[in-house]
Amino acid sequence: EIVMTQSPVTLSVSPGERATLSCRASQTVNSNLAWYQQKPGQAPRLLIYGASIRATGIPARFSGSGSGTEFTLTISILQSEDFAVYFCQQYNNWPFTFGGGTKVEVK
Amino acid sequence: QVQLQQSGPGLVKPSQTLSLTCAISGDSVSTDSGAWNWIRQSPSRGLEWLGRAYYRSKWFNDYAESVKGRITINPDTSRNQFSLHLNSVTPEDTAVYYCARGGLGIDGFDVWGQGTVVTVSS
Repeated sequence: EIVMTQSPVTLSVSPGERATLSCRASQTVNSNLAWYQQKPGQAPRLLIYGASIRATGIPARFSGSGSGTEFTLTISILQSEDFAVYFCQQYNNWPFTFGGGTKVEVK
Repeated sequence: QVQLQQSGPGLVKPSQTLSLTCAISGDSVSTDSGAWNWIRQSPSRGLEWLGRAYYRSKWFNDYAESVKGRITINPDTSRNQFSLHLNSVTPEDTAVYYCARGGLGIDGFDVWGQGTVVTVSS
């Protein structure tokens, strides 16, 4: 199965700053990559699919890029509600697999 | 909009069967676009996709190797819901279990249930 590796594990950022999260796949997943946001006690929420397409209702400050094995999620101007854990997930190969997550915390 | 509502017990004894149900509103379990999935999350295993059911002229299932042989995902067309049955559970099956829509025409998992905390303990 494809292993998804996220870095860093924790990212300390001040509100209003930019956050850049990375996700690497152990083999190519083409552009079949999704990003999720999860807050404590909640289910994950789909942010990005197709590596760069924002899901319905997702603010424009969230953007995704990359293809193949290297992907990036950028939050351009961090708002207070953006402090959460972010996961990447590949759906190119079955079984679908998730990364271990990056926690974005207040600096 | 599409919503998923989970139900089922939060405590299961070792060796018994974990059973959860996911009721669908705003979509059909028999849709020919997408699939109905179960995913779990634990500190030790992270987010782990367990399996799915989907309808394409007939019903199909796919299951993760880690639980194959112990898992069944069944659709219930009369109630527009689907269920998870995981037998012979151990404490390692303790996790938050989610149902979700996604795959096979839907990119990613776009709708999730609220999650059910399941503890395996005597």
